[in-house]
Amino acid sequence: EAGVTQFPSHSVIEKGQTVTLRCDPISGHDNLYWYRRVMGKEIKFLLHFVKESKQDESGMPNNRFLAERTGGTYSTLKVQPAELEDSGVYFCASSPRPGLTDTQYFGPGTRLTVL
Amino acid sequence: DQQVKQNSPSLSVQEGRISILNCDYTNSMFDYFLWYKKYPAEGPTFLISISSIKDKNEDGRFTVFLNKSAKHLSLHIVPSQPGDSAVYFCAAPNAGGTSYGKLTFGQGTILTVHP
Repeated sequence: EAGVTQFPSHSVIEKGQTVTLRCDPISGHDNLYWYRRVMGKEIKFLLHFVKESKQDESGMPNNRFLAERTGGTYSTLKVQPAELEDSGVYFCASSPRPGLTDTQYFGPGTRLTVL
Repeated sequence: DQQVKQNSPSLSVQEGRISILNCDYTNSMFDYFLWYKKYPAEGPTFLISISSIKDKNEDGRFTVFLNKSAKHLSLHIVPSQPGDSAVYFCAAPNAGGTSYGKLTFGQGTILTVHP
């Protein structure tokens, strides 16, 4: 069974540009989460999809961030325009159910550097 | 306000000895806890979990202890092996509301096991 995949693995852009990150969850996993780790700090929640619906987007930093999950399969996270403080590693995770004991499986992350 | 804290950024241990990683939490609504392990350039992978109805959970060389009154948990690795060298994250899922399942992470502890 393929794990969670993310593309690209690295992205270096200039301030003001646009970047789109992609996540392909494990097949059949309805729940998809985006997290971010900035500068070696804690991993912070951004948002949660159940199928194609946004269940919780309370962690999204501001309206420069837009997440979509059309058709309930893969998800994209667009940052437009990017700012210096958006640099970090963006992780995607998926789980079959949102339950407490249901393990979230993480992708390898996309390292975003904004210059 | 950081609800899950790992106050030791790093820990260095000799191979064969015990590694003890600590985690404190402030949110008394948390009733399930997980430890994730992360190697460089990879996403976090689930290691072990514990429910608040238990005070100990053991899986091979890994044991997690929970002290609810102190809001403290610890991960013991015995014996430690060089392959255990990684960043360890303590995490807790939200137990209710629209944020159900969302993980709150600590800052992580870098464990280095020397041969």
